Amino acid sequence: DAMVIQNPRYQVTQFGKPVTLSCSQTLNHNVMYWYQQKSSQAPKLLFHYYDKDFNNEADTPDNFQSRRPNTSFCFLDIRSPGLGDAAMYLCATSREQGWGYTFGSGTRLTVV
Amino acid sequence: AQSVTQLGSHVSVSEGALVLLRCNYSSSVPPYLFWYVQYPNQGLQLLLKYTSAATLVKGINGFEAEFKKSETSFHLTKPSAHMSDAAEYFCAVSDPSNQFYFGTGTSLTVIP
Repeated sequence: DAMVIQNPRYQVTQFGKPVTLSCSQTLNHNVMYWYQQKSSQAPKLLFHYYDKDFNNEADTPDNFQSRRPNTSFCFLDIRSPGLGDAAMYLCATSREQGWGYTFGSGTRLTVV
Repeated sequence: AQSVTQLGSHVSVSEGALVLLRCNYSSSVPPYLFWYVQYPNQGLQLLLKYTSAATLVKGINGFEAEFKKSETSFHLTKPSAHMSDAAEYFCAVSDPSNQFYFGTGTSLTVIP
């Protein structure tokens, strides 16, 4: 089945130690998104790629970066994780912006 | 910018009772509207979407939603709640500029 896969499902990292989360898709969608979701809150958009064009939300901290080496893969890099970065990170794709999203299962990040 | 309001951050219903989750949006132009469900430690799964076709939209798991332009509402209903329906539900809207907005979510508890 076509899908969005996030690895790992659970990630524990040390305070200040760089960490990378990965997302892959078999849907061949143009747009890939990274969302941060903290407990009992709605997902918050960090950035998205339309094809190779990177779009950063204005309030996304510089500590967060992203790479999309090809259509299928997108990575979220957190350069120096702080305790406040502990959250669920959701990857999503859509054929075009504004269409319905297909979400991955998420990566739960814990910072110790 | 759009706003999406979900009335009631927590809703409890008895098993077998009607489920009604409320969503209102702000827009002078009919947008696309979505309902997503999120189970614990999972990504978001699309329940249903309205894209300017029929105003009554049927989705998965017995859910449906009715688009009411005069009320700017898109409430989610299910005639008979099951224990497996316990989850977080998010209403979302995309506007003509292709921006996507989530509501703050409603946590549904089903009481045996």
